[in-house]
Amino acid sequence: NAGVTQTPKFQVLKTGQSMTLQCAQDMNHEYMSWYRQDPGMGLRLIHYSVGAGITDQGEVPNGYNVSRSTTEDFPLRLLSAAPSQTSVYFCASSAWTGGDTNEKLFFGSGTQLSVL
Amino acid sequence: SQQGEEDPQALSIQEGENATMNCSYKTSINNLQWYRQNSGRGLVHLILIRSNEREKHSGRLRVTLDTSKKSSSLLITASRAADTASYFCATDGGANNLFFGTGTRLTVIP
Repeated sequence: NAGVTQTPKFQVLKTGQSMTLQCAQDMNHEYMSWYRQDPGMGLRLIHYSVGAGITDQGEVPNGYNVSRSTTEDFPLRLLSAAPSQTSVYFCASSAWTGGDTNEKLFFGSGTQLSVL
Repeated sequence: SQQGEEDPQALSIQEGENATMNCSYKTSINNLQWYRQNSGRGLVHLILIRSNEREKHSGRLRVTLDTSKKSSSLLITASRAADTASYFCATDGGANNLFFGTGTRLTVIP
């Protein structure tokens, strides 16, 4: 099993450009999420999904868009990149069993994004 | 913030020694999880302890949870150079959100 696959690994954007970070998992997990990791800030949740067609906002959703058309894929879209979005982005998934309890997360290897 | 806070921020020990990291949090939780992150890599799940559990073991790892003090500790026994990494606690307060702390950077000197 590949687990959680993120592409690209590195990306440089200019302010105002848009792009999509790809995330795919092959574990048939219902729950998928996007985090950003900034120095001294830990990981912060951007958006999450508990199944195809269902998405919701996390702690820092502004400037990002998500959709979930299949169980496997959960892309993250930056609509108009800003320098404040320079960060490392991680996609994660888990075998959500319903309710509001979070089981262990499986993480991708991350995308390092720089916005100039 | 609902984030957990790890203490210390950085820890340096000799190979073979034990390493203890602490996590404090502010709200009631369903469970608390510990993750490891090697430099430049994604996080890897280490252990999950539920709110009705007080202690859990996994290999050289021992996790304790004190819900009355809203704190947890991670003990790594007989540390190895390969244990060098950042360690994060994550608290599950419900609502499908795990809140991560800022991490403890562990360096194990061979």
